[in-house]
Amino acid sequence: GEDVEQSLFLSVREGDSSVINCTYTDSSSTYLYWYKQEPGAGLQLLTYIFSNMDMKQDQRLTVLLNKKDKHLSLRIADTQTGDSAIYFCAPRAGAGSYQLTFGKGTKLSVIP
Amino acid sequence: DGGITQSPKYLFRKEGQNVTLSCEQNLNHDAMYWYRQDPGQGLRLIYYSQIVNDFQKGDIAEGYSVSREKKESFPLTVTSAQKNPTAFYLCASSSPGQGAGGTEAFFGQGTRLTVV
Repeated sequence: GEDVEQSLFLSVREGDSSVINCTYTDSSSTYLYWYKQEPGAGLQLLTYIFSNMDMKQDQRLTVLLNKKDKHLSLRIADTQTGDSAIYFCAPRAGAGSYQLTFGKGTKLSVIP
Repeated sequence: DGGITQSPKYLFRKEGQNVTLSCEQNLNHDAMYWYRQDPGQGLRLIYYSQIVNDFQKGDIAEGYSVSREKKESFPLTVTSAQKNPTAFYLCASSSPGQGAGGTEAFFGQGTRLTVV
């Protein structure tokens, strides 16, 4: 099955950029998602990238995909205290698959 | 509003009891999932269902049971056989082919189960 690895913690100062990294093992992953989880809540979809893209930008969020290295990153520009949360990388397997595999999540702490 | 609803938000169970967690969606999604979340462990898949009256075990199904009698509903029972049930439980749903990115999973707000 798919393995997904993320660093567990990241700490940045308010106003700086945050970069959260993720590596995965299944080269047939088609969609790759980023979810955000605030304390005591469910997961909220932030953004996604399709496997035939290298980059996707959505306001303060930039997703970079290196398919050769199976490496995905999420950059948050001008990080705010409201961005403090756990961020999960979740690749979806190939066509016809419903399943997502989640990393352990990266806890982002924003220092005012 | 369309969405996925879990209840209750907090649940306390005595040792040896079975408890059932509710999950309902009105998104017309085919697939539904149950995940367990422990601190530092990420999300682990318990059971999933792709169609009514059918479901499959995930990575940690032992001590849990599910049913899928209706498309909208996917309740999870935590049985007395589950030795360490205290955790945060998340239900999700998804459906394929709804346009680019339409296969993403939507999550409920979770149920925190504590054994007392």
